[in-house]
Amino acid sequence: KAGVTQTPRYLIKTRGQQVTLSCSPISGHRSVSWYQQTPGQGLQFLFEYFSETQRNKGNFPGRFSGRQFSNSRSEMNVSTLELGDSALYLCASSPGTENTGELFFGEGSRLTVL
Amino acid sequence: LAKTTQPISMDSYEGQEVNITCSHNNIATNDYITWYQQFPSQGPRFIIQGYKTKVTNEVASLFIPADRKSSTLSLPRVSLSDTAVYYCLANNNAGNMLTFGGGTRLMVKP
Repeated sequence: KAGVTQTPRYLIKTRGQQVTLSCSPISGHRSVSWYQQTPGQGLQFLFEYFSETQRNKGNFPGRFSGRQFSNSRSEMNVSTLELGDSALYLCASSPGTENTGELFFGEGSRLTVL
Repeated sequence: LAKTTQPISMDSYEGQEVNITCSHNNIATNDYITWYQQFPSQGPRFIIQGYKTKVTNEVASLFIPADRKSSTLSLPRVSLSDTAVYYCLANNNAGNMLTFGGGTRLMVKP
C-alpha cells in the first residue's frame, strides 16, 4: 500500500509569512505525528493527532499548530515565520491503537525561510 | 523518556559486521529500545525494537543485556547502501512522541 505522502516537498517563504504543510498517512492509520529536523537541534517532536484530536504536544511555540481531518489526513501550520523555522518537517503515521514505537515516516517537506 | 548516548560516527567496509552500541543508563521499566535508520533527505525508517535479550529480523539484530542500560545494534555484512544515520531511542510506547538523539553516522566504504 502507499506510504506516507507529504506535500509540498520543497518550499521557500519569507520571514513573517505563514505556511501550511500537508500529510496523508498510510491507509488505515489513525495517528499522525509531526517532527522538525534541523542540523542544530536534530529531530524534535512537534505534536501528534489521533482521531482528529491532539494527543501529545512537544515544546514548540504557539506559532506551530496542526489539525487532523476525519480521513486522518493532517496539516500543520507555522505562522509568522522566522529564519530558524527553516527545516525538514517530517510526518509519521501509525495505526495509533497500540503505540509500538514503530512509526512510518514520509519523505518530508523542506522549508526554507528567507 | 530515557536519554540515549551513542557514538557520533563510525566507519566500516563492505561485507563487515557493524555493531553500534547505545547507552541508556536511566531507562525506565516500561521503556522499549527502538532503532531507526535515516538516509539524507528522507524520513527515518524503523529497523528493530526490543525489550530485553536478543531480537533478530531480516535486516538486523538487537542485543540487550539483563540490566538494560545499554543495547547493541548489529548489522551483518554491510553494503554501501547501509551508509546512513542510525538512531537509538528508548520509548515507553505510551504515545508516538519519540525522542531522537544525535544518532550515529555510519559510513560504509568499498
